[in-house]
Amino acid sequence: NAGVTQTPKFRILKIGQSMTLQCTQDMNHNYMYWYRQDPGMGLKLIYYSVGAGITDKGEVPNGYNVSRSTTEDFPLRLELAAPSQTSVYFCASSRTRPQLAYEQYFGPGTRLTVT
Amino acid sequence: GQQLNQSPQSMFIQEGEDVSMNCTSSSIFNTWLWYKQDPGEGPVLLIALYKAGELTSNGRLTAQFGITRKDSFLNISASIPSDVGIYFCAGSSNTGKLIFGQGTTLQVKP
Repeated sequence: NAGVTQTPKFRILKIGQSMTLQCTQDMNHNYMYWYRQDPGMGLKLIYYSVGAGITDKGEVPNGYNVSRSTTEDFPLRLELAAPSQTSVYFCASSRTRPQLAYEQYFGPGTRLTVT
Repeated sequence: GQQLNQSPQSMFIQEGEDVSMNCTSSSIFNTWLWYKQDPGEGPVLLIALYKAGELTSNGRLTAQFGITRKDSFLNISASIPSDVGIYFCAGSSNTGKLIFGQGTTLQVKP
């Protein structure tokens, strides 16, 4: 049982390039989330999904896209990377509501630098 | 939007000391959680609180859900070097989404 796995661990992008951050969970969780963490700050929600085929915007969705074709996978796509997207990205998952949905399990993160 | 203020921002203590940190919100929350993040890792859930006034322990950690539902507290007793890390509070008002505080960085001197 690996929990939440993310790839890659590190990536350097040039301005304008695109990439996909991968996230997979093996806990059969319905809810999945993408956060970004900037230095000295808490986590900000980018997108979330309550099940396969259903996604919704979080607090900071601009510049990102997501899809959820299976329960296990929730990739995050960056189009036209900008320096402001330099951050550490965390994927998380949780069980279905009610209360347990708030107990989120996090992956190890992807450290992205855009130069 | 909703905001959480976490304090203190950082703490540098001696091994064996007790630690207290808190989190306040501008609005009412129905759920409070406390996470710990080790360097280079994702946050790990420590304690979840679901009722106003609730006091819950996890080993040397104790957290409380404030009666006003606008705050929460985390105490660590008899700190040890492996307590080093960043502690985050997070809350939700039944929106299905969590709001995170900015974190308290804890350093423990052996």
